[in-house]
Amino acid sequence: EVQLVESGGGLVQPGGSLRLSCGASGFTFSNFDMHWVRQRTGKGLEWVAIMDTAGDTYYAGSVKGRFTISREDVKNSLYLQMDSLRAEDTAVYHCVKTVCSGGSCYLFDSWGQGTLVIVSS
Amino acid sequence: DIQMTQSPSSLSASVGDRVTITCRASQSISIYLNWYQHHPGKAPRLLIYAASTLQSGAPSRFSGTGSGTDFSLTISSLQSEDFATYYCQQSHSTPLTFGGGTKVEIK
Repeated sequence: EVQLVESGGGLVQPGGSLRLSCGASGFTFSNFDMHWVRQRTGKGLEWVAIMDTAGDTYYAGSVKGRFTISREDVKNSLYLQMDSLRAEDTAVYHCVKTVCSGGSCYLFDSWGQGTLVIVSS
Repeated sequence: DIQMTQSPSSLSASVGDRVTITCRASQSISIYLNWYQHHPGKAPRLLIYAASTLQSGAPSRFSGTGSGTDFSLTISSLQSEDFATYYCQQSHSTPLTFGGGTKVEIK
């Protein structure tokens, strides 16, 4: 069974930093692209970042230059370093695995329960 | 960035109703459009990918159509477990983007 468990969320002041972690099990982590997706309270889903199996990274415009995604395949772990945090970054952050099927990729098929980040003074 | 616009943002319906949700992309995304169902407190569930392919395990009352910029998700006969929020997502290119969601509520 695929399991994704996030940690590292909490309360941080504007301008501060936080590092989220995601531990994965139940699948061969190194074979899959991994993402962070967030959801602000009462709002919809917002894709944040991807690190693919080749180590390439892409970011949403709203976090580019402030957030850094990384992974350690030997530890089956995904990370999100969040710097220069803003109030609008307050959200639940989910670690998500994607798959390809029938030539279509970036299908979000397994989600962690999420970790809450609150940016407030 | 590709913007995804869903409509309506919410709707009220009864069990047994036929429900259609639409999603429009700001530029052509071919068939790289996926649909998710999200119940509060649970992980989103992939229902449809590549615009019209039913994900394994998803009920056959869900169907998707469209290509280019205009897409739709139809629930042929709404069941009680279908009351949830539905999101479209484009997988054509990064940054990946979701629609704003459609909340399906009980009438």
